[in-house]
Amino acid sequence: QVQLQESGPGLVKPSETLSLTCSVSGDSITSYYWTWFRQPPGKGLEWIGYFYNSGSTKDINYNPSLNSRVTISLDTSKKQFSLKLTSMTAADTAVYFCARHSGRTGWDPDYRGQGILVTVSS
Amino acid sequence: DVVVTQSPLSLPVTLGQPASISCRSSQSLVYGDGNTYLNWFHQRPGQSPRRLIYAVSNRDSGVPDRFSGSGSGTDFTLRISRVEAEDVGIYYCMQGTHWPWTFGQGTKVEIK
Repeated sequence: QVQLQESGPGLVKPSETLSLTCSVSGDSITSYYWTWFRQPPGKGLEWIGYFYNSGSTKDINYNPSLNSRVTISLDTSKKQFSLKLTSMTAADTAVYFCARHSGRTGWDPDYRGQGILVTVSS
Repeated sequence: DVVVTQSPLSLPVTLGQPASISCRSSQSLVYGDGNTYLNWFHQRPGQSPRRLIYAVSNRDSGVPDRFSGSGSGTDFTLRISRVEAEDVGIYYCMQGTHWPWTFGQGTKVEIK
């Protein structure tokens, strides 16, 4: 059974950098696309970006609204992929989700984490 | 960004009765490969959204056949033929044709 689990701090101060990790168990992490998206409390969904890295092939795409602040990367040895978001503000308070990206159809139904709430506050 | 507009935003339904959610996009969702990437997700409280339907009308594995998707171009619909208690939650449409992918505001389905 495939499991994805987000981990990281639940509280970040304004202007700091958020670092989240998604651990994948039960399946390979290579040769797949992986993605992050988020949901502010009581609000809708927003794509953050997706990442693919296999050998010499790399495909990365970030939401232009976050482009200059976001980095997604993969650590195949740990079977993890990560999200870094710099210059955090209150507007970045949200539940952050990781999932296996399925391209233009979103994410695979059985390959998604439960989400982690990140609050930006001093 | 492509704006995706759902209606209604709140949908009280009677068990066993049909339900319908509309999703409209500000641009055509027909992609260059001929496919239309309009997808539907269902989110229960405290859970991450789960995809139900992809590319307009394709049901994911395990999704009951009471769910169906239809539409073309900029106008799409999710239908539930007979609502069951487990169908409550928030439904989102999502377009995957124009990056960044964008979502509708969500439609909250609850039992009357």
